Amino acid sequence: GAVVSQHPSWVICKSGTSVKIECRSLDFQATTMFWYRQFPKQSLMLMATSNEGSKATYEQGVEKDKFLINHASLTLSTLTVTSAHPEDSSFYICSAPPPLAGLFFGPGTRLTVL
Amino acid sequence: QKEVEQNSGPLSVPEGAIASLNCTYSDRGSQSFFWYRQYSGKSPELIMSIYSNGDKEDGRFTAQLNKASQYVSLLIRDSQPSDSATYLCAVNDGGSQGNLIFGKGTKLSVKP
Repeated sequence: GAVVSQHPSWVICKSGTSVKIECRSLDFQATTMFWYRQFPKQSLMLMATSNEGSKATYEQGVEKDKFLINHASLTLSTLTVTSAHPEDSSFYICSAPPPLAGLFFGPGTRLTVL
Repeated sequence: QKEVEQNSGPLSVPEGAIASLNCTYSDRGSQSFFWYRQYSGKSPELIMSIYSNGDKEDGRFTAQLNKASQYVSLLIRDSQPSDSATYLCAVNDGGSQGNLIFGKGTKLSVKP
């Protein structure tokens, strides 16, 4: 099956710092990737759609200046959480649609902001 | 607003029993339907996809789709404790390439 990797798998940072999370599609090209956030015991929440070569599309209520998305190639999208605060602590998961339908998820990045 | 509804559970079944998970969706134009399994602290894993009315079987899993009733279900036969997880129903979002609309998930607990 299609493989999506994410790095890092976990990160702990101080409040006010920025954190970059990478998402890669390893065996297929993805013009679109999706970024989700999941708080403990809550459902997946779509944050934004990353589009290769163009601006990301953000869901309502998600600050585009805080969550910077770059999709510079057909296999890589990055999410940068700028000036992170404790309330940004969450499980961030990327996904990508392979040539066949469905979505494959990366293993997720657990962010803890102290 | 396109919606996917699931009973949050928890659904508790004894080991060896059949677990039945249900899902309804609001968009009649939906064409693709998926079931994901998510273990606590892990990302979702695709376990079944179904595109046409009827049943689709894969090992101990059977997905059932009824487009007229806008209903999709997942049956897990011979349930094992390792099946204990949250099961997410997802439906394609026709307005967004590749994206899916997810239900909030049903937590399944299989008791030994």
